[in-house]
Amino acid sequence: DAGVIQSPRHEVTEMGQEVTLRCKPISGHDYLFWYRQTMMRGLELLIYFNNNVPIDDSGMPEDRFSAKMPNASFSTLKIQPSEPRDSAVYFCASSHSGSSAYNEQFFGPGTRLTVL
Amino acid sequence: GNSVTQMEGPVTLSEEAFLTINCTYTATGYPSLFWYVQYPGEGLQLLLKATKADDKGSNKGFEATYRKETTSFHLEKGSVQVSDSAVYFCALRHPGGKLIFGQGTELSVKP
Repeated sequence: DAGVIQSPRHEVTEMGQEVTLRCKPISGHDYLFWYRQTMMRGLELLIYFNNNVPIDDSGMPEDRFSAKMPNASFSTLKIQPSEPRDSAVYFCASSHSGSSAYNEQFFGPGTRLTVL
Repeated sequence: GNSVTQMEGPVTLSEEAFLTINCTYTATGYPSLFWYVQYPGEGLQLLLKATKADDKGSNKGFEATYRKETTSFHLEKGSVQVSDSAVYFCALRHPGGKLIFGQGTELSVKP
């Protein structure tokens, strides 16, 4: 399996622009997680889905952020409009609930976002 | 609520030194516990895990024991290598399925 795939790997944009980050989870996984990592705040869970349905979006910082999962193999995280403080590395992770009680999460390589 | 606290980094050691990274947690019930590792420029990878009290997780020479009485899950390795330089995250699994991570501890091993 190719693992969790994220695109783009790097994104540089200007303040006010729309940014869309993409994630393809591991085939067969029914949970998908979006995280943000910064030096100041560490690793933060933004939102997660189970069977394509958002379960907990309490970590989404504000209305400028939105996430969708139209099918089991694709999710997007959108920021509109983007601001410099959104600069961070965004990770997508997936897991399979049926495998064991451990529910190991598999992380993608991340998207490094820079908002100028 | 559920939370995880790790010792602050960075931790700098010489090759072959003994490593301990402290992790304590607050949780209702008995959550599964994890250590993840993040190498430079990469995503997090599961290093080891434990699902119940007194379980010992181990992998690549690293060990951690689930201590219910002290609510701890300290990471140890007897002899670190330069290739172990990374950021280490302790985490617990929330009943709803999500992981609660600590703030991460950066380890730097010098030759």
